Formats: sequence, C-alpha cells, structure tokens
Amino acid sequence: QSALTQPRSVSGSPGQSVTISCTGTSSDVGGYNYVSWYQQHPGKAPKLMIYDVSKRPSGVPDRFSGSKSGNTASLTISGLQAEDEADYYCCSYAGSHGVFGTGTKVTVL
Amino acid sequence: QVQLVQSGAEVKKPGASVKVSCKASGYTFTGYYMHWVRQAPGQGLEWMGRINPNSGGTNYAQKFQGRVTMTRDTSISTAYMELSRLRSDDTAVYYCAREREGGDEYWGQGTLVTVSS
Repeated sequence: QSALTQPRSVSGSPGQSVTISCTGTSSDVGGYNYVSWYQQHPGKAPKLMIYDVSKRPSGVPDRFSGSKSGNTASLTISGLQAEDEADYYCCSYAGSHGVFGTGTKVTVL
Repeated sequence: QVQLVQSGAEVKKPGASVKVSCKASGYTFTGYYMHWVRQAPGQGLEWMGRINPNSGGTNYAQKFQGRVTMTRDTSISTAYMELSRLRSDDTAVYYCAREREGGDEYWGQGTLVTVSS
C-alpha cells in the first residue's frame, strides 16, 4: 500500500493549463475507475474536485478535468486562476482500502 | 444538512493512546462508511481506514494494523478512532470523512493530536 506518485510541484501563469499526474499500480489506479482529486488550501480541510476519474461535483468549475490511462491518472486545470494555487492530492480505491498520492503544490506565477 | 463534528485537540505522551470522536448528523449514520484520514504537519494526506457503521466491520491500512481501532455507537451516531502506542510522528490532524454519494462528500473539521513528552 505505497502512496501514489505525484510530481512535487507544477506551476503556470494565469490562463495557462497545468496537468498533474498520479501514478499507481494495477492494484489501485489501474484496477478501478475510482480515482478522486482533492484541493487543499493551507489550514483547510481537503475539497473534492474530481471523483470516479473524471466526474465533477456540483459547484466545481469545468476548468478542472480528470482522466486516466493505465496506471496513471491526471488532473488538468485549464485557464489557471490565482485561487487555484493550492496543494492537490489524488486518491484511489485499492480493494477495500484507500491510498492517497504524495501531493502536488500548484503555483500560479 | 450533513455535519461531522469532531472532538477537540489532544496532547498525549509517547506510548499513550488517543481516542477521537466524530459525531454525525443530517443523514442516516448507518448508511455510509466512515473513513479516517490524517495529515502530519507539512505532510500529505494518509488514509488510515474505514468502518461500516451498520455492521461495525473495519478495514485498516497495513501501516496502522495492530495500533488502530475504529468503532461506532449507533445510538448517538458517533464514530471513533483510537490510536495506541503513540509516537512523536503520530502528531497530526486527524479527519473523519463520510463515504461519498455521487459528488457529495463530507469531512469533519479535523482534530489535532500532539504527541510530546
């Protein structure tokens, strides 16, 4: 049950797009279509941004999108905005267990 | 409206145990798994385990097997997470989170547990 692998940081200018990868194994990311993504601002609880690989909860801007290929899931933020600067975590179901990614800090330049 | 209200901050000595509570309201407590997640200072999120409030059945992350116990009291719609043999690296914010239904997911406010001699 090792943590899923994410890049430590990504950055982009306002209006640009950034993509965060989340690499696991066939026992987690690759085995189920149950990948979710969380946004976390400092001192706050995580907020669900994407679930079931590519679904957006009500109220989440459509600038956020998710996808998966094999053992790697991705979160893309299009039209980057200042308020998107935060930490992002992927999470996958792994057969009665959950596993989070290592986390990625998104910086808006 | 769904609410998860956790117990207050705790300070414990190494080797002690801590029990964090999570009181649920606004939904049928026994209808959804409750998950526990922790976050050490400056670190990432870590899934600890989950409990089925209906049956009491649990699944724990391998890392915590033997040290964590998740229970519930259905009469007061409250879930508990007890962590024993505390170490300094157990210092973290502990969250409860209700199983998702569609895009609806709910988290408690977090409980800071500090382990220090």
